Amino acid sequence: LAKTTQPISMDSYEGQEVNITCSHNNIATNDYITWYQQFPSQGPRFIIQGYKTKVTNEVASLFIPADRKSSTLSLPRVSLSDTAVYYCLVGVRMDSNYQLIWGAGTKLIIKP
Amino acid sequence: ETGVTQTPRHLVMGMTNKKSLKCEQHLGHNAMYWYKQSAKKPLELMFVYSLEERVENNSVPSRFSPECPNSSHLFLHLHTLQPEDSALYLCASSQIRQSLGTEAFFGQGTRLTVV
Repeated sequence: LAKTTQPISMDSYEGQEVNITCSHNNIATNDYITWYQQFPSQGPRFIIQGYKTKVTNEVASLFIPADRKSSTLSLPRVSLSDTAVYYCLVGVRMDSNYQLIWGAGTKLIIKP
Repeated sequence: ETGVTQTPRHLVMGMTNKKSLKCEQHLGHNAMYWYKQSAKKPLELMFVYSLEERVENNSVPSRFSPECPNSSHLFLHLHTLQPEDSALYLCASSQIRQSLGTEAFFGQGTRLTVV
């Protein structure tokens, strides 16, 4: 069964750049890759979205290789408030069904 | 504030009770979603409504019954739930189906405990 795979947890320090990679081997041709951030007791919040190559916005960058079987979320100069769980989301077509597959999430802890 | 409001924020119900979760969005979106989030598990998509028509139902037990009376409101009716149904239930909305590359906005969720 196709799925997305992310590291369970990561630690870093304030001011550092953090890169979180998600594997999605069965991504469909027309699917986008989306990353969300979630704080405790809140719903996920959209961070960034891309289809291929590189996308950058005011909070993050998203790197997608040519085969699109993985993606890397890059958070520049993290702060303590970036401590959260980060999810990658892709659509996956399994036979005739179409499902949205969320990763298990990466718990990012930023230390002073 | 994401523009998606869920009520109640917390709910404790017995296994024989009937309750409903409510979701409301005034973002002008035409797709709405129910997700279940259990501890240490990925988010599970339960139902999708697009233009008020249910377009996806991911093998959810019949004790969960969704209702979408208009594009701004979504309900999840609950009856005879089991303790394993205890979870955070999240509502989301987007302009078109999420898988087509559209940002979804989530509510803060309803923390449901079945006793």
